Amino acid sequence: NAGVMQNPRHLVRRRGQEARLRCSPMKGHSHVYWYRQLPEEGLKFMVYLQKENIIDESGMPKERFSAEFPKEGPSILRIQQVVRGDSAAYFCASSRDRDTEAFFGQGTRLTVV
Amino acid sequence: EDKVVQSPLSLVVHEGDTVTLNCSYEVTNFRSLLWYKQEKKAPTFLFMLTSSGIEKKSGRLSSILDKKELFSILNITATQTGDSAVYLCAASQGGSQGNLIFGKGTKLSVKP
Repeated sequence: NAGVMQNPRHLVRRRGQEARLRCSPMKGHSHVYWYRQLPEEGLKFMVYLQKENIIDESGMPKERFSAEFPKEGPSILRIQQVVRGDSAAYFCASSRDRDTEAFFGQGTRLTVV
Repeated sequence: EDKVVQSPLSLVVHEGDTVTLNCSYEVTNFRSLLWYKQEKKAPTFLFMLTSSGIEKKSGRLSSILDKKELFSILNITATQTGDSAVYLCAASQGGSQGNLIFGKGTKLSVKP
């Protein structure tokens, strides 16, 4: 029973490029959450998705960031035209439903050079 | 502004000691209080507390929630070097247990 799978584990992008981070939830989980962890900071909620729907995107920056969770395939967090300040660890979590605890993946460490 | 505050920020103990980690919260539409352990990368789920005054236990770890005073504690007895990690406290709110407000964590170091 695989846990939450994120890839890639490490991603290096030059300023102005696009970054795509993938998350496959645990088997049987249909709720996905993305978090960002900046150095020396706590985890910050970004977005909550169910299949084909964005439920809560209150933590997403207004520009350059988008997320999707299609009917088939993993959830994708997309960052366009990356800047140095986007360098962080991005964690995905999933839960079976809205009332059960969320389990986290290993994270993707994004470095913008 | 919603917030979760953990104390202490770091703690160094010796194997066999008992530790208590603290978490206070001020969160609108509060649902539950969750504890996670973060070692190298992925936060690992420990406890979810929804009701006040009911202790949850898992081996040497236990936790309790006080919804009147808005805090929770995590106890670890007979600590081992493998307990060294950052312990994260988070409050869920609104529509889902996965929408979490995290504290900055307590870094626990257990010396042999």
